[in-house]
Amino acid sequence: EVQLVQSGAEVKKPGESLKISCEASGYRFTGYWIAWVRQMPGKGLEWMGIIYPHDSDTRYSPSFQGQVTISADKSTSTAYLQWSGLKASDTAMYYCARILITMVGGLWQYQGMDVWGQGTTVTVSS
Amino acid sequence: EIVLTQSPGTLSLSPGERVTLSCRASQSVSSSYLDWYQQKPGQAPRLLIYGASSRATGIPDRFSGSGSGTDYTLTISRLEPEDFAVYYCQLYGSSGLTFGGGTKVEIK
Repeated sequence: EVQLVQSGAEVKKPGESLKISCEASGYRFTGYWIAWVRQMPGKGLEWMGIIYPHDSDTRYSPSFQGQVTISADKSTSTAYLQWSGLKASDTAMYYCARILITMVGGLWQYQGMDVWGQGTTVTVSS
Repeated sequence: EIVLTQSPGTLSLSPGERVTLSCRASQSVSSSYLDWYQQKPGQAPRLLIYGASSRATGIPDRFSGSGSGTDYTLTISRLEPEDFAVYYCQLYGSSGLTFGGGTKVEIK
C-alpha cells in the first residue's frame, strides 16, 4: 500500500526550531516529487514547496522561501520540513503529498497529488 | 503569478441535488495540470479529478470535471451525504502549485 506517514503533533514556543517528517512506503521514494502544504486554522490550502528526493531538487513558494527548509533522506524514504525560529503565525496543520507523474503512452503525464499524509499539527505559543 | 478564484464561497444544498463548482484562472492555463480535491473536517485532502476531467482512482462517477483556458468546473451529479465538504481546485506549474480558495458545500 502506498502511504505517507507524518510525525506527531508538536507544541513549541516562539523562536524554537522544529523538524517534522513524512515517511513514504509502498513505492519508489526517489521517483516522485513530494509537496508540503500548509493549512492555517479555519483556512484554505497553501503550497509551501516541493522536493524531488532523487537529487533533492527543491522549489519553494515565494511566500515560504527563506522561512522553512525542505529536505529528503533517501536512505529512510523520508521528507522533512523544518523551521529555525518558529513564530506564532506558524501554528497550522502541515500536510505532505506525493505528486504523481507517470509515463503514459511514451509521454509523461501529470496525475495530481494522489497520496497525502495524515497531517502534522504544529502549535506555537508562549 | 496565476490566481485561481473559486465561486461561490459556500453552497447550501440538499442530498440528491446537482452541484456545479467554478474555478477561474487569472490567465489561460493548461487543463492537463488542473486538479480538484475534496477535504472533509479533520481529514487530509483527497484527489478527485486530475487533468481537469480525469477521475482519480476510486472516485465515484457522480464526480466529473470539465473546462479549458481560464474556466473550469467540478460537477457532482447527485449529492450524497458524504459529499458535504470543502472543494479546492489546484494548478501544477513549472514554478510550483497554486490552490483556489475553496468552496464549501454544506447541508441545507
